[in-house]
Formats: sequence, C-alpha cells, structure tokens
Amino acid sequence: NAGVTQTPKFQVLKTGQSMTLQCAQDMNHEYMSWYRQDPGMGLRLIHYSVGAGITDQGEVPNGYNVSRSTTEDFPLRLLSAAPSQTSVYFCASSYDWRVDGYTFGSGTRLTVV
Amino acid sequence: SQQGEEDPQALSIQEGENATMNCSYKTSINNLQWYRQNSGRGLVHLILIRSNEREKHSGRLRVTLDTSKKSSSLLITASRAADTASYFCATRDSGGSNYKLTFGKGTLLTVNP
Repeated sequence: NAGVTQTPKFQVLKTGQSMTLQCAQDMNHEYMSWYRQDPGMGLRLIHYSVGAGITDQGEVPNGYNVSRSTTEDFPLRLLSAAPSQTSVYFCASSYDWRVDGYTFGSGTRLTVV
Repeated sequence: SQQGEEDPQALSIQEGENATMNCSYKTSINNLQWYRQNSGRGLVHLILIRSNEREKHSGRLRVTLDTSKKSSSLLITASRAADTASYFCATRDSGGSNYKLTFGKGTLLTVNP
C-alpha cells in the first residue's frame, strides 16, 4: 500500500491563480480530510468527506473547493490564490473516523506570491 | 478554534531520560489521540485513547486520560535521539460536531544524544 499520496510536494503560485492539490489513498478509507498547518496555529480543518459524493466544510473553508467522485481521490481546489493561503497542506484519511486514527500524506508546501 | 493545548511548548532532554507532555482540552470528548511529526514530514498516528479508558500503552509510550480534569499526558520512556519531533494531541468531540478531529499546537521535543 502506498498510503496517502499528495502531489505536488511544493508549489509557488501568483496571487489570483488557481490550482488543484491532489490527494489519493489506496486503503479503501471512507473518510478523507484536508488540513492546513501554519506556524503557531496547529492544524486547521478545511474540508472533509465521509464517503464518495459527500463533502462538508471544516473550520476554514473559504477560498477552497473539494469534490469526492471516488473513494480513492479527494482533490482540493484553490479558486483564486491569495498570500493568506501560503501554508503546508495535509490530506488525511481514516477507515472509520469514529474510532480510528488518521493516516496523513507527506504534505504540499504552497507559497502564494 | 483550538481544543487541545499541549504543555510545554518545547522540551529538551538527554537521551535515556523520560519525556512527559501534557494536553488539556475544553469540551466532552469521544476520544483523544496523539500524533508525532518529524520536521518537514506528515503526522504519524501514535495512540488513541477512548473517553472510558484511563491509561494505554504502546511500546515505550504511555498515555493517560483524566476526563474529570479534561487532560491527558503522553510519556515517552528511555527517549532516543530519533524521538526528536513535534507531538500533537487531537480530540474528537462527543457532541454533534464529532466528525472533526481538532489538533493542538504541539510540543517540540528535542532529545540530545
């Protein structure tokens, strides 16, 4: 199993550009989520999904869209990048979010200039 | 909003010593989890303790949970240089928003050889 795979690992965007951060897992996990990690802020939940076709907002969803057309993939779209979205983004998945821990990807470091 | 708060923010010890990190939280929880993050990497799940459990062990890790004080501690015994990392507690609420796993800001542990 590859676990949770995130691409790209690094990205530099100009303000106003859009892009998609990819997340894929091969563990048949129903639950997937996106977090951002900023210095001194810990991890904050952006969006999550409890299964294919089901998504919902976390605590910092503005400026981001998600979709979940398959169990394996959960892409995060930045609609119009802003410097405030400079961060490290982590995708995480879980087989049963009620009782299991999360498996994290290695992260995407995004800089918006 | 932050649920778990780790204490101390940073801890420096010698190899072979024990390391203790604490986590306090504010609301009723379903479970509490501890994660490790090595510099520049994703988070790795260490241990999950349910609200009806008081203590759990995994190798050199010992986690306690005191729901009356809304606190948890992570003890790493006989620490090694490879234990150098940030450690995060994360809580899952027992209420309606229990889809969300809320992370603290972490404790940076440095183990000196």
